[in-house]
Amino acid sequence: DAGVIQSPRHEVTEMGQEVTLRCKPISGHNSLFWYRQTMMRGLELLIYFNNNVPIDDSGMPEDRFSAKMPNASFSTLKIQPSEPRDSAVYFCASSWGPGLGRNEQFFGPGTRLTVL
Amino acid sequence: KNQVEQSPQSLIILEGKNCTLQCNYTVSPFSNLRWYKQDTGRGPVSLTIMTFSENTKSNGRYTATLDADTKQSSLHITASQLSDSASYICVVTLGNTGTASKLTFGTGTRLQVTL
Repeated sequence: DAGVIQSPRHEVTEMGQEVTLRCKPISGHNSLFWYRQTMMRGLELLIYFNNNVPIDDSGMPEDRFSAKMPNASFSTLKIQPSEPRDSAVYFCASSWGPGLGRNEQFFGPGTRLTVL
Repeated sequence: KNQVEQSPQSLIILEGKNCTLQCNYTVSPFSNLRWYKQDTGRGPVSLTIMTFSENTKSNGRYTATLDADTKQSSLHITASQLSDSASYICVVTLGNTGTASKLTFGTGTRLQVTL
């Protein structure tokens, strides 16, 4: 298995532009997580899905952020409009099983987003 | 307030030596505690996951301990190798609700193993 796949690996955009990050979870996993990591705030969980359904999005910072999971093998995280403070590394992770229990999460390589 | 504090912030040790990283938390009720290793420029990799009923768990040269009474966990690395150089992050899950807002992250310990 190729593991969790994220694209793009790097994204540089200008303030106000729309940014779409993509994630393909490990085949067979039914939970998917979006994280953000910055030097100042560390790692933060933004939203997670179970069986393609968003379970809790209370970690999403603002309405400018939205996430979708149209099927079991694909998810997107969209920022519209983007702002410089959104600059961070965004990780996608997947696991087997519901919720935030003791199931191991497998992380993708991340997307480094820079908003100028 | 639910918090997770890790110490030290950074650590430099010689190859072959042992070291122990600490994680203290105030999260309650407690569901599970995870230790992750994160190499520079890469995603975190799970090392151990422990529930409140487990007080030790090993993964190769990594051994995590948990004292749910004192709300402390430690990660012990035996016979360190250069490849152990990374950040180690402690993450505590609140209760069994599974809601995103109930994950509390430590800021990590940056470990450097030198020759």
